[in-house]
Amino acid sequence: DAGITQSPRHKVTETGTPVTLRCHQTENHRYMYWYRQDPGHGLRLIHYSYGVKDTDKGEVSDGYSVSRSKTEDFLLTLESATSSQTSVYFCAISGPQETQYFGPGTRLLVL
Amino acid sequence: KQEVTQIPAALSVPEGENLVLNCSFTDSAIYNLQWFRQDPGKGLTSLLLIQSSQREQTSGRLNASLDKSSGRSTLYIAASQPGDSATYLCAARGGGFKTIFGAGTRLFVKA
Repeated sequence: DAGITQSPRHKVTETGTPVTLRCHQTENHRYMYWYRQDPGHGLRLIHYSYGVKDTDKGEVSDGYSVSRSKTEDFLLTLESATSSQTSVYFCAISGPQETQYFGPGTRLLVL
Repeated sequence: KQEVTQIPAALSVPEGENLVLNCSFTDSAIYNLQWFRQDPGKGLTSLLLIQSSQREQTSGRLNASLDKSSGRSTLYIAASQPGDSATYLCAARGGGFKTIFGAGTRLFVKA
């Protein structure tokens, strides 16, 4: 299995509070992605990174920001969490062959 | 805008049966198509990736095909086993690293 960890694995927070999710990889892959998975919507891309300090928006980026200061870490921040951001968040990485490998996910509940 | 559809949404088969899962996409300008399995409450596990220049890929009892001109991919599972029970997702990668996922096919293999 690809070396991808996500932290925290579970989080409960209140509306309006900031939340940061961390994705850490040990594969030295260039590309990293954040997805959310919701019933009825499937998996949707939030943001992705194609290198240190190089990021771009996905299809559902509103309300989210990301940062990548090191190859191994990709952070997803919800500046002011809303109930609509309750979801399961997955980080993924891909290397030169472009196969995407997924982390175990973070379950976020915004009350 | 790319749309990915998977049919059927759910499938129940007896152990030992060969089966085909279908994935269709609306924009044939894809770079690759990837198949994943997801077990309940878990992350995604990569099964097969087909580059746009390829017609099929095989891994063990799995064979995935790609027909860009018709916007279709199939995942063939031979001699199904109860351990194959999971949700199977296909994902089409287009320009800008944007990957669009289908909603998945839930497979149940009865012993």
